[in-house]
Amino acid sequence: GAGVSQSPSNKVTEKGKDVELRCDPISGHTALYWYRQSLGQGLEFLIYFQGNSAPDKSGLPSDRFSAERTGGSVSTLTIQRTQQEDSAVYLCASSPSGAAGELFFGEGSRLTVL
Amino acid sequence: KNQVEQSPQSLIILEGKNCTLQCNYTVSPFSNLRWYKQDTGRGPVSLTIMTFSENTKSNGRYTATLDADTKQSSLHITASQLSDSASYICVVSDRSNAGKSTFGDGTTLTVKP
Repeated sequence: GAGVSQSPSNKVTEKGKDVELRCDPISGHTALYWYRQSLGQGLEFLIYFQGNSAPDKSGLPSDRFSAERTGGSVSTLTIQRTQQEDSAVYLCASSPSGAAGELFFGEGSRLTVL
Repeated sequence: KNQVEQSPQSLIILEGKNCTLQCNYTVSPFSNLRWYKQDTGRGPVSLTIMTFSENTKSNGRYTATLDADTKQSSLHITASQLSDSASYICVVSDRSNAGKSTFGDGTTLTVKP
């Protein structure tokens, strides 16, 4: 597609379950970012990929959070043993270059943990 | 620590009026500053991107200014429309920390008829 695609758009899960969120970046974009946005709050950086490697994972809030990127394209953010405080919108963005490049955002995946 | 502060936190104006949103930053060394518009329930969309040498950049009714000396930026919206109701986010990139930008918390603008 022409833009960044994220799935699912909405996910409701029970506390303790694992969830996977998918991001399909714009074709050819080497940089990929995950952010978290709680209700009414600003964006919180989670992780950055350049190609398939993640030079900056400093924003991952705990070891329950992990992410991978394969083929320099699709990325998956996995949250294990979900907690209620994980409820938020998870946004993915891609860029044709690194930090100085314009970020193109997906519409986000809204996660609700009951 | 790199920080981006936006003001006001929220703003209500009448349709057709102008408004100005502020962004102050302490990010150094500076790479660029971007303004994004985020409609409710949507992802942010880029409005402008400004580098060190640029003072002003326009995108339709949106005009961004940058004062790199005082580390301040503003976003001016002219002749506001109902569709301008959104959150406006200021983002500053650091040349020494490739891959990470510092986000402001945003200004929520409501345009009323």
